[in-house]
Amino acid sequence: NAGVTQTPKFRILKIGQSMTLQCAQDMNHNYMYWYRQDPGMGLKLIYYSVGAGITDKGEVPNGYNVSRSTTEDFPLRLELAAPSQTSVYFCASSYLLGDTNYGYTFGSGTRLTVV
Amino acid sequence: SQKIEQNSEALNIQEGKTATLTCNYTNYSPAYLQWYRQDPGRGPVFLLLIRENEKEKRKERLKVTFDTTLKQSLFHITASQPADSATYLCALLLYGNNRLAFGKGNQVVVIP
Repeated sequence: NAGVTQTPKFRILKIGQSMTLQCAQDMNHNYMYWYRQDPGMGLKLIYYSVGAGITDKGEVPNGYNVSRSTTEDFPLRLELAAPSQTSVYFCASSYLLGDTNYGYTFGSGTRLTVV
Repeated sequence: SQKIEQNSEALNIQEGKTATLTCNYTNYSPAYLQWYRQDPGRGPVFLLLIRENEKEKRKERLKVTFDTTLKQSLFHITASQPADSATYLCALLLYGNNRLAFGKGNQVVVIP
């Protein structure tokens, strides 16, 4: 059981380039999320999805896009990379049992540097 | 505005003692609160969930309390060990919303 798998682990982008951060989960979780974590700051929600075909913005969505065509995959697209997008990106998934969300499962993160 | 506050200063504690961390929140009415552990270079790992109608929750050497009147949760690590050294994050799940809002985390360093 792999959990949440993120690729790549590290990436350096030049300003203006684009890339897709991959996220896959094998736990059949309906909810998936993308967070970014900057040094000394908390995790900030970028986008989330409550199921295949449904996505919504979080706190800091500008400069990013997502899609959710399957339950397993939730890629994050960066268009026109900017230095402000230098961060560590975490994908997470969770499920609901009744009305309770029993904890997120996080991936190991993608460290992105924009130069 | 909504805010989650954790102490930004690292907690240095002698092995065997109890480490206590505080999570305060404002302008939230969370259905429940969660605690996570994060090691350097890794993603957070879920530890405990406590509901608004629960005063205390335990898991092995961990204990969490939740006071909705004070808008505060306390996280205790009893008989602390060097392997407990990490950053601990509190997170709130909002009513009618399954998104977690995280505090900045509080680092614990257990000294042998």
